[in-house]
Amino acid sequence: QKEVEQDPGPLSVPEGAIVSLNCTYSNSAFQYFMWYRQYSRKGPELLMYTYSSGNKEDGRFTAQVDKSSKYISLFIRDSQPSDSATYLCAMSGSGGSNYKLTFGKGTLLTVNP
Amino acid sequence: GAVVSQHPSRVICKSGTSVKIECRSLDFQATTMFWYRQFPKQSLMLMATSNEGSKATYEQGVEKDKFLINHASLTLSTLTVTSAHPEDSSFYICSAAQGERQFFGPGTRLTVL
Repeated sequence: QKEVEQDPGPLSVPEGAIVSLNCTYSNSAFQYFMWYRQYSRKGPELLMYTYSSGNKEDGRFTAQVDKSSKYISLFIRDSQPSDSATYLCAMSGSGGSNYKLTFGKGTLLTVNP
Repeated sequence: GAVVSQHPSRVICKSGTSVKIECRSLDFQATTMFWYRQFPKQSLMLMATSNEGSKATYEQGVEKDKFLINHASLTLSTLTVTSAHPEDSSFYICSAAQGERQFFGPGTRLTVL
């Protein structure tokens, strides 16, 4: 079993839809959880960063962490064509080399106008 | 804030030559930087962890003599691909750590002819 599993997609939705992206993990040592957005031929951009279980909202984006189930989600409300990108979940432990990120494989999202 | 730059953004070279890629944190100091490699439609693969003032830590399977990393200051890390071959053609991305968060550069596309 891989340390981080991410729904492979690809995902295609109409503009305005609510998008749900998910990852599960197996390593209990993971304490920091991130979502990155990567446009084609660009570096990943940090979208959301969370530490504790619960929800964190930033504009149209909500990150959800459930440490008991080892499950994280990213919700995108009122999706826009500009949200079309690959979304990567990432997580790390704490301290020193544990800050190395473990990534999911990424979900390619297309929002159709 | 938290801007990371990479230079060059694209490089084409002949087989056997060496190529240097620079990664700079523009508005913060980064004790730790990371170098990744990404193949088309795949997630990021960590190559090495670069710590300012000390030797880099390479991931298993990454040849340290081929991929030379230098982290001479708190804002600059360099990756040199020595004696590049066509199989080294890839998208190379760096990140700079600010605490447990990583901010990524825009990437460098290397093509070895």
